[in-house]
Amino acid sequence: GQNIDQPTEMTATEGAIVQINCTYQTSGFNGLFWYQQHAGEAPTFLSYNVLDGLEEKGRFSSFLSRSKGYSYLLLKELQMKDSASYLCAVRDSNYQLIWGAGTKLIIKP
Amino acid sequence: NAGVTQTPKFQVLKTGQSMTLQCAQDMNHEYMSWYRQDPGMGLRLIHYSVGAGITDQGEVPNGYNVSRSTTEDFPLRLLSAAPSQTSVYFCASSYGQSPSGANVLTFGAGSRLTVL
Repeated sequence: GQNIDQPTEMTATEGAIVQINCTYQTSGFNGLFWYQQHAGEAPTFLSYNVLDGLEEKGRFSSFLSRSKGYSYLLLKELQMKDSASYLCAVRDSNYQLIWGAGTKLIIKP
Repeated sequence: NAGVTQTPKFQVLKTGQSMTLQCAQDMNHEYMSWYRQDPGMGLRLIHYSVGAGITDQGEVPNGYNVSRSTTEDFPLRLLSAAPSQTSVYFCASSYGQSPSGANVLTFGAGSRLTVL
């Protein structure tokens, strides 16, 4: 079966750095996505990785290792507005997205 | 440019009732889809469409129907509501499913459905 694993919840301090991990086992691989979802709102796109390595976009970076079936999202200089759920999704060989259950990130002052 | 518009935002149904969740996008996206989101689970694909007149089943299609008569609209019909269909429903669209690009999904605001 296909599976995406992420921690259920993480807590971090404002101004700090946090790394949210995602491991996957899917039928094929055609890219990995990270989305942010604030409570009661729709998911919004954060990043896309299809090749191994690090993609940096402002305070957010995403890393992919296809051989290890592993990705992480790195958030720097945390702000209170970063409190949200972070969803990892992998596009499989049929180009369908397989979604993780999401990681709820709590930021404390 | 409104993006993806979903209605209604909230709905309460009784078991056995039918209803339609509306979804419209104004971005000329080929690909449209319906997901449901339940606590502790990832988004699950119900139905999707790669263009007008073309629909296909996702992971959890039972109890739901869709149609795609225009590029803009992709309604989701619940035929006979059951308590197991209590969920938050999201419509999402993108330019396509091409593997050559990110093809980012744009989501509607969501519809919270409760079936009693």
